[in-house]
Amino acid sequence: EAQVTQNPRYLITVTGKKLTVTCSQNMNHEYMSWYRQDPGLGLRQIYYSMNVEVTDKGDVPEGYKVSRKEKRNFPLILESPSPNQTSLYFCASSLSGQGPTEAFFGQGTRLTVV
Amino acid sequence: LAKTTQPISMDSYEGQEVNITCSHNNIATNDYITWYQQFPSQGPRFIIQGYKTKVTNEVASLFIPADRKSSTLSLPRVSLSDTAVYYCLVGAGGFKTIFGAGTRLFVKA
Repeated sequence: EAQVTQNPRYLITVTGKKLTVTCSQNMNHEYMSWYRQDPGLGLRQIYYSMNVEVTDKGDVPEGYKVSRKEKRNFPLILESPSPNQTSLYFCASSLSGQGPTEAFFGQGTRLTVV
Repeated sequence: LAKTTQPISMDSYEGQEVNITCSHNNIATNDYITWYQQFPSQGPRFIIQGYKTKVTNEVASLFIPADRKSSTLSLPRVSLSDTAVYYCLVGAGGFKTIFGAGTRLFVKA
């Protein structure tokens, strides 16, 4: 089954403790992206990747890192999480970053930083 | 990236046709219009995409006038399960993506 898988689904952590949210897709998609969703603010793009080793900032990249060492994986790293990073996070992938394309989203990761 | 404007919310009753209009005055020549549906605590799901005129699939229709400055998502005979947030996106593909606040559709029995 074609899917985007995020782990964990839920995470409660403390301020400053580094964490990684994993994202994996099995569709051989070139393009992957991370979003955060907060009440009243819709989905905001954090980082995106056009292909392996190619990443760029979205609208809200501060406090986050990403890497794209393999085509299927695009982990989101919070080096020193803070309470304002408490949010619902979504990973997405699409066939290509060029031209019209359908994006597939993961189930989401609900992160709470205390 | 073209900015989009949608109504914040809409109410409907089961069995009615719902039309959600999105304005995108600054759409570029190579931009496509894409609509997504999102249920609470789930990732958005692709509904339909188009460039001009009319596109129809098994769940919705998308109407795009000749000037492409707006588009209308049409949901025929909605049911309670269509209660969700609907996002209109305009762009030429990946790169940066702006979702906006979306339209919250509430379907009543």
